[in-house]
Amino acid sequence: QQQVKQSPQSLIVQKGGISIINCAYENTAFDYFPWYQQFPGKGPALLIAIRPDVSEKKEGRFTISFNKSAKQFSLHIMDSQPGDSATYFCAARAGSYQLTFGKGTKLSVIP
Amino acid sequence: GAVVSQHPSWVICKSGTSVKIECRSLDFQATTMFWYRQFPKQSLMLMATSNEGSKATYEQGVEKDKFLINHASLTLSTLTVTSAHPEDSSFYICSARLAAGGELFFGEGSRLTVL
Repeated sequence: QQQVKQSPQSLIVQKGGISIINCAYENTAFDYFPWYQQFPGKGPALLIAIRPDVSEKKEGRFTISFNKSAKQFSLHIMDSQPGDSATYFCAARAGSYQLTFGKGTKLSVIP
Repeated sequence: GAVVSQHPSWVICKSGTSVKIECRSLDFQATTMFWYRQFPKQSLMLMATSNEGSKATYEQGVEKDKFLINHASLTLSTLTVTSAHPEDSSFYICSARLAAGGELFFGEGSRLTVL
């Protein structure tokens, strides 16, 4: 019940396209859903996060869509750029507990 | 955002030696720090949670005598890999948060290679 399932495992998108990464969870106690971006050899960096009281949050080219009834949330990267090429992790947390991470999606944006 | 610094960023050591990795919160006091291990092309695996001034809580399957964690101050936690072996080679990442339920800030990670 603590799992967060992330898909796809890898994604190739052309420059200017939309990258979409999906996550699903089972634990209804989760109340915080962040996305992290990780470049090779670096630690993860918080990209954007959402709480279940809203269905969408947008920050620049990055948007989280949240579907509470389906227990799913997704990251959309608009106008994808080669510099967005990285591994993206979704995560979820219940209260003050530690984060549960998805397995990650390696995004490659090709020119 | 807040800054968490890890040192060293990479280290190579001989089998049987001990290696210490430091994690510092540079501009805030971290009540809780977390240590993760990440294998190539895999997700982060939580190793332990440490609260300042108390013993670390280790996740199931993590040897506490192998991975010693000390959180002596609100800005510093250390992970010591004792008697390191090649299978301990990995990317170790720390994170810190100001308060329960607060945002988590990650360090840059430390690449350990044991020969």
